[in-house]
Amino acid sequence: AQSVTQPDIHITVSEGASLELRCNYSYGATPYLFWYVQSPGQGLQLLLKYFSGDTLVQGIKGFEAEFKRSQSSFNLRKPSVHWSDAAEYFCAVGEKTSYDKVIFGPGTSLSVIP
Amino acid sequence: GAGVSQSPSNKVTEKGKDVELRCDPISGHTALYWYRQSLGQGLEFLIYFQGNSAPDKSGLPSDRFSAERTGGSVSTLTIQRTQQEDSAVYLCASSFFNKAEAFFGQGTRLTVV
Repeated sequence: AQSVTQPDIHITVSEGASLELRCNYSYGATPYLFWYVQSPGQGLQLLLKYFSGDTLVQGIKGFEAEFKRSQSSFNLRKPSVHWSDAAEYFCAVGEKTSYDKVIFGPGTSLSVIP
Repeated sequence: GAGVSQSPSNKVTEKGKDVELRCDPISGHTALYWYRQSLGQGLEFLIYFQGNSAPDKSGLPSDRFSAERTGGSVSTLTIQRTQQEDSAVYLCASSFFNKAEAFFGQGTRLTVV
């Protein structure tokens, strides 16, 4: 069965600094991969997704992520963080089968220092 | 509908009472998920429905929890004899068959007093 790990429970960065949130997955084939964001008091919003093709995907709010098959990773990056990026970030993996189940990682909480 | 709709948005119940939480997925979405998010915690998978297949109930924490999905659309999560540790936000999500991108509702905040 697939699983998702996010090694960093909490990260603090200064506004304007670069950001990388780590995500590793365990799956037998090439999965669907997602990053979601949950701002305080808000629902979950899709940031970006990878289904196939170019391994570097662009998302909303200036985020990007790179799928690295050899490392089973799908790390999320942003070159310059804004205070409004403070939120909980979830990596998720979906099965490329008829079953379609999506499994979420435990999340990484991001704090931004002004 | 335009998005996943959950009701009620907030529910306060007394310990030992039964509660029902409702989820109305996006029209045409065949997959439906329930997750639980306790304060400051990540997403805990509860149950997954996909079309007419048998649901994946592997995440239900106890036999007090059950869920059904009628007509392949609306789903109800039922918690019997609620306990204080059941207090959490219960999130529902739906997705298209074979696309797996999940769209989330705003959740139901359950407080057991």
